[in-house]
Amino acid sequence: DAGVIQSPRHEVTEMGQEVTLRCKPISGHNSLFWYRQTMMRGLELLIYFNNNVPIDDSGMPEDRFSAKMPNASFSTLKIQPSEPRDSAVYFCASSYVGANTEAFFGQGTRLTVV
Amino acid sequence: AQSVTQPDIHITVSEGASLELRCNYSYGATPYLFWYVQSPGQGLQLLLKYFSGDTLVQGIKGFEAEFKRSQSSFNLRKPSVHWSDAAEYFCAVGVAGKFYFGSGTKLNVKP
Repeated sequence: DAGVIQSPRHEVTEMGQEVTLRCKPISGHNSLFWYRQTMMRGLELLIYFNNNVPIDDSGMPEDRFSAKMPNASFSTLKIQPSEPRDSAVYFCASSYVGANTEAFFGQGTRLTVV
Repeated sequence: AQSVTQPDIHITVSEGASLELRCNYSYGATPYLFWYVQSPGQGLQLLLKYFSGDTLVQGIKGFEAEFKRSQSSFNLRKPSVHWSDAAEYFCAVGVAGKFYFGSGTKLNVKP
């Protein structure tokens, strides 16, 4: 398996623009997570899906952030409109709930909003 | 609420010296416990995990960790550090299908 695949690896956008980050989880995994990593706040869990359904989105910082998982092999995290303080590395991770397993991480998307 | 504390933000050790990175968690029951490593510009890689059983667990790259229920701790150790171990290390707990991470410890290795 290729692991968790995120795209793009780097994104530079202007303030006010819409940004979409993409994630393909590991085949067979039934849970997907979006995390944000910053120097100030470390790794924050933004949202957690189980079987494509959002279970906990309490970490989503504002209404400007939204996430979808239309099927078991794809998820998006959208920021609209983007702001400079959204600059961070965004990680997607997947796991199989129900087995003794860990979260597997993608390589991350480094977002810079100018 | 669940929390994971890594009290050391930065640690510097000499190559060949031993290493211990501290981790404490706050949770009512025994959660699943993990240590991950992150190299610059990379994602997080699992070093080791604890679910149950033997409280001393072995991981990759010569790392081990010991779960101490009485202290709510899961400290990471390595007997002899290599320069390639320089990275950031994260302790994590798994609770109800979710994973919560500590703030990380950056390890610097002196030649």
